[in-house]
Amino acid sequence: KAGVTQTPRYLIKTRGQQVTLSCSPISGHRSVSWYQQTPGQGLQFLFEYFSETQRNKGNFPGRFSGRQFSNSRSEMNVSTLELGDSALYLCASSQIVTGPNYGYTFGSGTRLTVV
Amino acid sequence: DAKTTQPTSMDCAEGRAANLPCNHSTISGNEYVYWYRQIHSQGPQYIIHGLKNNETNEMASLIITEDRKSSTLILPHATLRDTAVYYCIVRVAPINPMKTSYDKVIFGPGTSLSVIP
Repeated sequence: KAGVTQTPRYLIKTRGQQVTLSCSPISGHRSVSWYQQTPGQGLQFLFEYFSETQRNKGNFPGRFSGRQFSNSRSEMNVSTLELGDSALYLCASSQIVTGPNYGYTFGSGTRLTVV
Repeated sequence: DAKTTQPTSMDCAEGRAANLPCNHSTISGNEYVYWYRQIHSQGPQYIIHGLKNNETNEMASLIITEDRKSSTLILPHATLRDTAVYYCIVRVAPINPMKTSYDKVIFGPGTSLSVIP
């Protein structure tokens, strides 16, 4: 079956602009999480969604927001971009939220460069 | 902060077993141990997980100590393609999926494994 699909793969934006990234989870997966990865900070948790509701949020400013649609697809938005927002943004989905089979499947990420 | 600590880097000779340790001394009874790896510029890949019993799959084996305060991921015959950053995380699996807040899944810096020819 198809994996986690993130679009676009690469993006270049200028400071002050906003950006929307998309994530389509594996079919049947209802939980979607977002991470930011930079060389200096590693993988940083942004937020997690289940059933169109944000279930947890990392320590990022309000410029970072997200949402999940009824088909489990998710988007994240970053407004007023800063140079420090340049990163690989990763989306991960999982099949069931309860029980032991809570492994994430990650997408390939969106590489955002802010200039 | 991450709930696990791992060595920053390790080397392993090709064809030998790679043993990657992870300390999770504050793990609670309902938290699972998960291992992922990330090959350069790709998304992390799930490897294996366990609660208290040792686990094995086609990729690796997971050995969890009896007190559950540490674990070891074993790649039985490391190849050059196993060169990657390996992450050990712990997380409780929510009982109720409609629970309003979940435990954050925090990745530490991981172990950079270099498999040497």
